[in-house]
Amino acid sequence: DAGVIQSPRHEVTEMGQEVTLRCKPISGHDYLFWYRQTMMRGLELLIYFNNNVPIDDSGMPEDRFSAKMPNASFSTLKIQPSEPRDSAVYFCASSPPGGWGYSNQPQHFGDGTRLSIL
Amino acid sequence: GENVEQHPSTLSVQEGDSAVIKCTYSDSASNYFPWYKQELGKGPQLIIDIRSNVGEKKDQRIAVTLNKTAKHFSLHITETQPEDSAVYFCAASLGGYQKVTFGIGTKLQVIP
Repeated sequence: DAGVIQSPRHEVTEMGQEVTLRCKPISGHDYLFWYRQTMMRGLELLIYFNNNVPIDDSGMPEDRFSAKMPNASFSTLKIQPSEPRDSAVYFCASSPPGGWGYSNQPQHFGDGTRLSIL
Repeated sequence: GENVEQHPSTLSVQEGDSAVIKCTYSDSASNYFPWYKQELGKGPQLIIDIRSNVGEKKDQRIAVTLNKTAKHFSLHITETQPEDSAVYFCAASLGGYQKVTFGIGTKLQVIP
């Protein structure tokens, strides 16, 4: 089975430009998560969706960040305008519906997008 | 919200020795505790998880223990091998939610 697919793997752009990161979750998974990873702050949850609906966006740092999930097989994270402090590795993860008796299921991560804002 | 503390931040062991990574969590309602391994250039991958209705779980050379009273959980790797070198993350999750809170990570180096 294909895992979570993220694109691009690397992105280098200049400050002020719009950046769009893409994610295809595992088929059948109904939860999708966006994380940011930096040395200083570790893995931070930015936003997560359930059945394409945003459930918790409290981790989105500012209005420059937005995320969408137009259908069950695709999500985007957009930064506009980008700033050097947005440089990080961005991960997308998905998880299946909770099993009987348990609501928590393991998250499956993609290999990330390494973003560098100059 | 939930807070997960993890230590040590770095750990070096000789090949064949055991490695132990410890985590504490703050919210007593948390009931799911996964552990992830992250290799260079890759995303975190689940290696083992434990739910609050058990105190210990093993999978070959890897074991996890949970002390709900003390709000501690630990990862034990026995007979370490060079391929165990990676960053390990603990995490905790509240029942009814898929959202998890991660620890800061432990960089494990296994010296041949």
